[in-house]
Amino acid sequence: EVKLEQSGAEVKKAGESLRISCKGSGYIFASFWINWVRQVPGKGLEWLGRIDPADSHTNYNPSLQGHVTISADKSIFTAYLQWSGLKASDTATYYCVKDDSSGFYHEWGQGTPVTVSS
Amino acid sequence: DIQVTQSPSSVSASIGDTVTITCWASQDISTSFAWYQQRPGQAPKLLIYAASNLGSGVPSRFSGSGSGTRFSLTINSLQPEDFAMYFCQQAHTFPLTFGGGTKVDI
Repeated sequence: EVKLEQSGAEVKKAGESLRISCKGSGYIFASFWINWVRQVPGKGLEWLGRIDPADSHTNYNPSLQGHVTISADKSIFTAYLQWSGLKASDTATYYCVKDDSSGFYHEWGQGTPVTVSS
Repeated sequence: DIQVTQSPSSVSASIGDTVTITCWASQDISTSFAWYQQRPGQAPKLLIYAASNLGSGVPSRFSGSGSGTRFSLTINSLQPEDFAMYFCQQAHTFPLTFGGGTKVDI
């Protein structure tokens, strides 16, 4: 069974750093891109970017303008999403998603809620 | 970026009704289109991919159609578990983009 296990909820202050994680199991982790998608409370979905765990090649949504960094450690089947300076507007639930390169998201993590206070 | 416009933003329906949700892409994306269902407190679930293909384990009362710039999701014979949020997504060009969502409620 494919499973994406995400780290737990976070409460932070503006300006702090944060790294959340997503561990894949039940499939060959290095063979599939991991995408990150965020959902602001009560709002829609926004694609943030993706990483190929095999070589750590990344693509980002240009709207983020370098605000987040996506990384992966294929030896422990884990992908990461990190911020070096959180903003209140980063308050959202963040999902990692396994992608077979079709762009259709068959498997999702359970989500990591992040709350940033100003 | 390709803009995806979803309508309606909400719809009230009853058990057994048929509901149709429509999305428009700002440019031709062939059939690179998907639909997701999201229940409260849960991650989205893929319902339809490549515009008309049923996702794994998705009941046959869900169907998708369309190509180019206009796409539709139809839910026949609404069941209690179908009352949820529905999102559409274009998978043609990065950045991948989603519609604003449709809430189906009673």
